[in-house]
Amino acid sequence: QVQLQESGPGLVKPSQTLSLTCTVSGASITSGNFFWTWIRQPAGKRPEWIGRIYTSGSTKYNPSLNGRVAISADSSMNQFSLTLTSVTAADTAVYYCARLDGHYDALTGDYDYGFDIWGQGTMVTVSS
Amino acid sequence: DIQMTQSPSSLSASVGDRVTVTCRASEEDIRNSLTWYRQKPGKAPELLIYGAFRLQSGVPSRFSGSGSGADYTLTISSLQPEDFATYYCQQYYRTPYTFGQGTKLEIK
Repeated sequence: QVQLQESGPGLVKPSQTLSLTCTVSGASITSGNFFWTWIRQPAGKRPEWIGRIYTSGSTKYNPSLNGRVAISADSSMNQFSLTLTSVTAADTAVYYCARLDGHYDALTGDYDYGFDIWGQGTMVTVSS
Repeated sequence: DIQMTQSPSSLSASVGDRVTVTCRASEEDIRNSLTWYRQKPGKAPELLIYGAFRLQSGVPSRFSGSGSGADYTLTISSLQPEDFATYYCQQYYRTPYTFGQGTKLEIK
């Protein structure tokens, strides 16, 4: 059974760097057709996709974060991490790590995806 | 970015009712690259449907998805107490992946 668990500080000061780690158990982050992702959700609002790292190590980020984000992986610890620089109050949210799983459709030749496994989420508040 | 718009934003219904939630993409055709999630208060979203109509493993058959092009629908055939939650659609046709604003399903 695959499980994800976020960890990191719950309070970050404005202009500083937010760092979170997601520990994966029950599966290796370097195998399979998975994208390991970060998603955040401000209180009462819709989720926002932050970015992803593939099993190969390639990354992709949401341009709305203006280059402030980086996602990396540590295969020895079976973890992947989020770094968000120059934070403001607008970065206050519940942060989730999630697995994006792909299913191949032989009829269309395309992949169908879904965030099938999520961590429980960790609340991060940006405040002085 | 592709904007996702759900309707209604909120809905009151009773146990046993059939309900439908719709989702429209700002792109003319997202080629069924659409998922649906249920989110209970204080919990992470749960995947219900991917590929517009494919039921995620372990999800009850009362959930179904349909649609094409820019317009998609989630139907719950007979509401159960655990279904009173917020539902989100999400497109994966193009990054950045984007979510709808949510539909809150409340008990009448």
